[in-house]
Amino acid sequence: DAGVTQSPTHLIKTRGQQVTLRCSPISGHKSVSWYQQVLGQGPQFIFQYYEKEERGRGNFPDRFSARQFPNYSSELNVNALLLGDSALYLCASSFLDNYNSPLHFGNGTRLTVT
Amino acid sequence: QKEVEQDPGPLSVPEGAIVSLNCTYSNSAFQYFMWYRQYSRKGPELLMYTYSSGNKEDGRFTAQVDKSSKYISLFIRDSQPSDSATYLCAMEQDKLVFGAGTILRVKS
Repeated sequence: DAGVTQSPTHLIKTRGQQVTLRCSPISGHKSVSWYQQVLGQGPQFIFQYYEKEERGRGNFPDRFSARQFPNYSSELNVNALLLGDSALYLCASSFLDNYNSPLHFGNGTRLTVT
Repeated sequence: QKEVEQDPGPLSVPEGAIVSLNCTYSNSAFQYFMWYRQYSRKGPELLMYTYSSGNKEDGRFTAQVDKSSKYISLFIRDSQPSDSATYLCAMEQDKLVFGAGTILRVKS
């Protein structure tokens, strides 16, 4: 079975631009979460979606937004990019929206903002 | 103070050694505890998942949770060069909270 897939794998953007990252969950998984991992740190929670509804939001500015589609895939959008947004963006899926159902991560999109 | 503290290492051991990786936490509301392994340029891979205090074993890996001390550990027996990676502890409240990760290097 395919795992969580993310696209693109790498991306270089300029300050002030906008970016859209995409995620396809494991087949049958209805929950998608997004995490930001800065070099040398653990992943930090950005959003969780379950059945197309936002179930949680981390401590990130409104420049960050996301949505989930009827097929459970998801997009993360970041507007007005800052240098500090450079990071590995991880998508994770789970069957349920609680932690009886552990997260499975994709390999991430590495975003570089110049 | 961070909610989850984890020594970043790097921890360097010879092949075959027993490895002990640890995390402490401050939030007594955490109920679920996980260990993830992350290879360079890859996403985190779930290794162990525990709910209660005590030990859970899976092959060469043993996860230990002590809720009274707010301390969790991951033991790796007979460590191999392929175990070289970053090990992340994670805990659940309404979201997963990760430690910073410990870099492990197993030398052949």
